[in-house]
Order: sequence, then C-alpha cells, then structure tokens
Amino acid sequence: DIQMTQSPSSLSASIGDRVTITCRASQGISNYLAWFQQKPGKAPKSLIYAASSLQIGVPSRFSGSGSGTDFTLTISSLQPEDFATYYCQQYNTYPLTFGGGTKVEIK
Amino acid sequence: EVQLVESGGGLVQPGRSLRLSCAASGFTFHDYAMHWVRQVPGKGLEWVSGINWSGDVAYADSVKGRFTISRDNDKNFLYLQMNSLRADDTALYYCAKDGPGRDTFNWPDPWGQGTLVTVSS
Repeated sequence: DIQMTQSPSSLSASIGDRVTITCRASQGISNYLAWFQQKPGKAPKSLIYAASSLQIGVPSRFSGSGSGTDFTLTISSLQPEDFATYYCQQYNTYPLTFGGGTKVEIK
Repeated sequence: EVQLVESGGGLVQPGRSLRLSCAASGFTFHDYAMHWVRQVPGKGLEWVSGINWSGDVAYADSVKGRFTISRDNDKNFLYLQMNSLRADDTALYYCAKDGPGRDTFNWPDPWGQGTLVTVSS
C-alpha cells in the first residue's frame, strides 16, 4: 500500500498568515492527489483534486502543487473559517490511502 | 443537491455482523462509483472499500475477507456487510460518492454524515 505522510501534524497560525502543509507519498503517484478539509463534527469536504485543481466553490486562497511523491497545500491568507484538519489522499493505486492529517489551530 | 444518508450503525459484540446502508439521492446513482470511509473518533480517515458502477470492488487490507460492499442501482442504495467484527472496527462510517468516477476510484466527494459502529462486549 502507498503510505501518505503529512507534516506537520499540527500547527498554530494567526489570521492572515500563509500556511503550508506538506504531503509525501511512499512511491510516485503522478498527480493523483486530493486534499480535504474537516471541521469538528462534520464530514470531510473536498478542496483540491489532481494535486492542483480547485473544487468549485473553494476560495482561491487555497492552492495545491506537486507531482510524483511531494505535494503541498497552501492557504495564502488564513481566515477564521479555515481552522480545521486537512488530509491528503492518493488515488493512484488501490487501496486508496489518506495522510494522517494536519490540524490548523489558532495562535 | 447530492444527499447521502447512512444508517445501520450501533453497538455490536465482537465476532458478530452488521450491515450498513446508504441512501443516495440528488444524482444519477448508477453513473458513479461509491465509497465507504471510516474514522475512529478523534483520529484520521481510513478508506474501507469502493464499488464502481458495474460492481467491481476494492477493499482495504484491514477488512478484506470480512467486509462486503454492494449496491442496488434500482433503489439507489449502497451497502456494507461487515462480518467478524473486531474492536478495532469501531469507527464512524461514511458513505461517499466518487468525485468524477464511474469506472475507477478517485476521491470521495461528497460525504454523508456517517453512522457510528461500536464493537464491544
């Protein structure tokens, strides 16, 4: 199975900060990577697919990049509603696998 | 609007069985692959199983041989039959539509609100 490793596992940031989350795959997955946001008590919501394509309705402050084994999710200017846990997920190979998550907290 | 409503969760003893259901509406159900994803409360996400439009399936190693995914394209329902349940199967189980996919498994989107399965004696 492909292992997905996210870093950091948590971070504290202030409103307006630029935040970057990394995701590393244990083997190459081309651009078959998605990012999700999950708020407490809610189901995950898809933000990005194909490593860098924004889902409809997702604010443009979110962006994704990377290919192969190394990927990033960037929030250009953190907003109050962005405090949540973020997960990456590969869909290059079955079984699908998720990263362990990155919790973004208020500083 | 896509709606996915899970049911069938509850408290079950180790070694017993449980069947989860997911009622789908708001999209052409038979045109999409579907997923089950689980989450231990307070922990991360684990993909459990997927089924494409024609019934091809895939499973996580942790459930292979114990869980069976199926779908009823006439009734717009997704199912997860869970046998030989273990304590580490305790989790919130989400049903999800595949983002774009009919034949292949991609990213789950959107997700239902989940049904909680607790395996304990």
